[in-house]
Amino acid sequence: RKEVEQDPGPFNVPEGATVAFNCTYSNSASQSFFWYRQDCRKEPKLLMSVYSSGNEDGRFTAQLNRASQYISLLIRDSKLSDSATYLCVPSNQFYFGTGTSLTVIP
Amino acid sequence: NAGVTQTPKFRILKIGQSMTLQCTQDMNHNYMYWYRQDPGMGLKLIYYSVGAGITDKGEVPNGYNVSRSTTEDFPLRLELAAPSQTSVYFCASSPGGGGNTIYFGEGSWLTVV
Repeated sequence: RKEVEQDPGPFNVPEGATVAFNCTYSNSASQSFFWYRQDCRKEPKLLMSVYSSGNEDGRFTAQLNRASQYISLLIRDSKLSDSATYLCVPSNQFYFGTGTSLTVIP
Repeated sequence: NAGVTQTPKFRILKIGQSMTLQCTQDMNHNYMYWYRQDPGMGLKLIYYSVGAGITDKGEVPNGYNVSRSTTEDFPLRLELAAPSQTSVYFCASSPGGGGNTIYFGEGSWLTVV
């Protein structure tokens, strides 16, 4: 049922760094994906959607690579507040994986 | 801006007790879900519902029951609580099953002692 795989990390990066996560998927028919963000002891919340053209929102860029079947999330100029777990999910699924843990260090 | 509301937020149960976690949403969403999340682990789907009167098992349904008598409400029942059910429980909803954002409640922290 889980159609995606993520490196659980943790990724520990200094403030101001650029960090990228990849999420590989197995179902080549998947057309779009969501990135969710989950803060410690909080509920997941939608960060951004990813379609074939990719998506950019401020410091965050998400891209879909159909040929290699992965989705990427790039965070530029990391802030302390970016520390969280990032979850990728095919948009037609409701099973979540463990996500990728990011800690931004002062 | 209520969204998905869960009660209670915190609860301590003794082994063998039963309880119901309440969940209601005011967005007229068809799909509703219950997840559990153990410390340091990912979300596990317990049960889900695609509409009133329809429920289905997820990955970890044992020890739980659900009902969906209305669009708004999706209570989760724990029968004969066990320490293994100590977890954070998230209720969620979405308009439909495909291409729709899932909205989560704030979670219910349950400890079974």
